[in-house]
Amino acid sequence: NAGVTQTPKFQVLKTGQSMTLQCAQDMNHNSMYWYRQDPGMGLRLIYYSASEGTTDKGEVPNGYNVSRLNKREFSLRLESAAPSQTSVYFCASSEFNRANYGYTFGSGTRLTVV
Amino acid sequence: KNQVEQSPQSLIILEGKNCTLQCNYTVSPFSNLRWYKQDTGRGPVSLTIMTFSENTKSNGRYTATLDADTKQSSLHITASQLSDSASYICVVSRNSGYALNFGKGTSLLVTP
Repeated sequence: NAGVTQTPKFQVLKTGQSMTLQCAQDMNHNSMYWYRQDPGMGLRLIYYSASEGTTDKGEVPNGYNVSRLNKREFSLRLESAAPSQTSVYFCASSEFNRANYGYTFGSGTRLTVV
Repeated sequence: KNQVEQSPQSLIILEGKNCTLQCNYTVSPFSNLRWYKQDTGRGPVSLTIMTFSENTKSNGRYTATLDADTKQSSLHITASQLSDSASYICVVSRNSGYALNFGKGTSLLVTP
């Protein structure tokens, strides 16, 4: 069972470069999320998609864009990377966008912006 | 402000010993509290989830408790194993919308 698959696992970017982080889930979940995890801080929500065709901003959306390509896939794009975006990025999914549903997380993408 | 505070920040114990991790929260209105285990280089994996009416939930050697009156939770690990070395994250949900409030985690190291 693959669950939530993220690619790439590691990436180094130069300041100003762009890239897209890919996420796919095979659990037929309706809702998907992008989080970032920084040292000494809890996970913070960047964007989420409650259902196919919808996306909304989370706690820290600046500098990012997202696309819910279909029910399975939810991508995160950095248009012009900045050193402050150096972080570990986690994609997650849940059956529905309600606080009482379980979340499944991917293994993360470690991004370094130099 | 909705906050989740965990203690201790880090902990080292000998294999076979028990330990207890703490979580205090101010999230309101409360929906549920979850404990996740995050191995190094991996995503968080759910251990337990408790609603307002539940005060204890177990998952193998992991037992979580919840006191909704004092807004405190603990995660007790029995007979620790080397594979228990990980970060343990407390997550509290509000009773509205979707948002999860994450603690910073407790880093546990189990040594031989």
